[in-house]
Parts: sequence; structure tokens; C-alpha cells
Amino acid sequence: DTGVSQNPRHKITKRGQNVTFRCDPISEHNRLYWYRQTLGQGPEFLTYFQNEAQLEKSRLLSDRFSAERPKGSFSTLEIQRTEQGDSAMYLCASSPRTGNEQFFGPGTRLTVL
Amino acid sequence: TQLLEQSPQFLSIQEGENLTVYCNSSSVFSSLQWYRQEPGEGPVLLVTVVTGGEVKKLKRLTFQFGDARKDSSLHITAAQPGDTGLYLCAGVWYGQNFVFGPGTRLSVLP
Repeated sequence: DTGVSQNPRHKITKRGQNVTFRCDPISEHNRLYWYRQTLGQGPEFLTYFQNEAQLEKSRLLSDRFSAERPKGSFSTLEIQRTEQGDSAMYLCASSPRTGNEQFFGPGTRLTVL
Repeated sequence: TQLLEQSPQFLSIQEGENLTVYCNSSSVFSSLQWYRQEPGEGPVLLVTVVTGGEVKKLKRLTFQFGDARKDSSLHITAAQPGDTGLYLCAGVWYGQNFVFGPGTRLSVLP
């Protein structure tokens, strides 16, 4: 399978704990996006990488959120001191060097108790 | 503030019926995309429209981009239960920045 993969698929955590999600994009895709999606809404942009450089961050991304893409391949999204409002589906997408087609992973569903 | 609006929010129809869903914005986009998302999965790209007035057909799906590149519609002919899902439009700026609408949740009953 050469699609975008995300791990874990589901995460249940207690309020105040830290969580980390991983995204493996399609190989050779240099652009990588993180989105958050809550029930009944479309994906909300969180952050964007071109290779290893984080080029854009949404103001939705509070200082409890951090994302990395250290070698320009996989990416991690960490949420520190989780809150119940962080419960959502976290989606990752990658895009090739040319064109604007986004390929989404299956998402990580986070539940904060 | 929602940059992209989609209507209707929910739509439930019988198999075989036709339907149209809409995506509207006050902003001009370089292109606009339509995605379909099933529960528990990520969105899957259906089409990208680039030129104002452009019409694209994908089997029973017809996509139109408004002349001013601010709005779009998706028409499904003879809907089937397999068309059930969340239909999302996404406006694209300069090929790198995407904003999604809230989606239209379609249910096609057999």
C-alpha cells in the first residue's frame, strides 16, 4: 500500500496527558498537511510542511501543539496537556511537488476523557 | 467565519433521484476541489476545477465552477446507495493553501 498512513488510528487519553501522532506521506511527496476535523465539520487547516520546513501554522494551533518533519519524510503532531476540546479526527495529507492534489490518510481519532 | 459555505447541510434521497449540492464563497480561488469522505476515513479527491465556467464530468457526477471562480456545484444523476457520504468542497489558493467547507452529508436510500 503506497498511500498515506497514520498511526495510531484511535487514541483515548485522559485530560492533561501528552499524545503524539505519526503520518507517513506518499514517498516523494514533498508537501505535507495536518488538519483537524470535528463532527459535522470539514477539515480545518493546522499546519503545512514543504520538505522539512514548516511554512505555515494556523492560529488554531495553540502552543500546546507542535509538529515536526525532521527529514522531510514522516511527520509527527504532538499535543501537550490535552483538553477535552482537543477530541477530534486528526488528518494528514500529502501532495506532490507539482499540482495541488491532496492525498489524505485515514486519520487518527483522538478522544480526551 | 466560514470562508466556504455548502448547501444543503444534509440531504436524504431515494435511489435513482437526481441531486445538486452547492459550494459558495465571497473569495476568489485559483481552483476548487471536491472530495468525498466516508465515516472513519480521510477525504478522497473527486475532481479539481480550475477555469471559471469549467464543467467536468465523472460518470454520473457533473461538477461546475462558477464564472467568477467563487462558487461551484456538484450534480449527481440517478443516485445510488454507494454515493452516500460527506461531500466536501475545498478552495485552493496558489496551489498550496486549502480551505474546506463544512460539507453536505448525503444519504441515498435503497
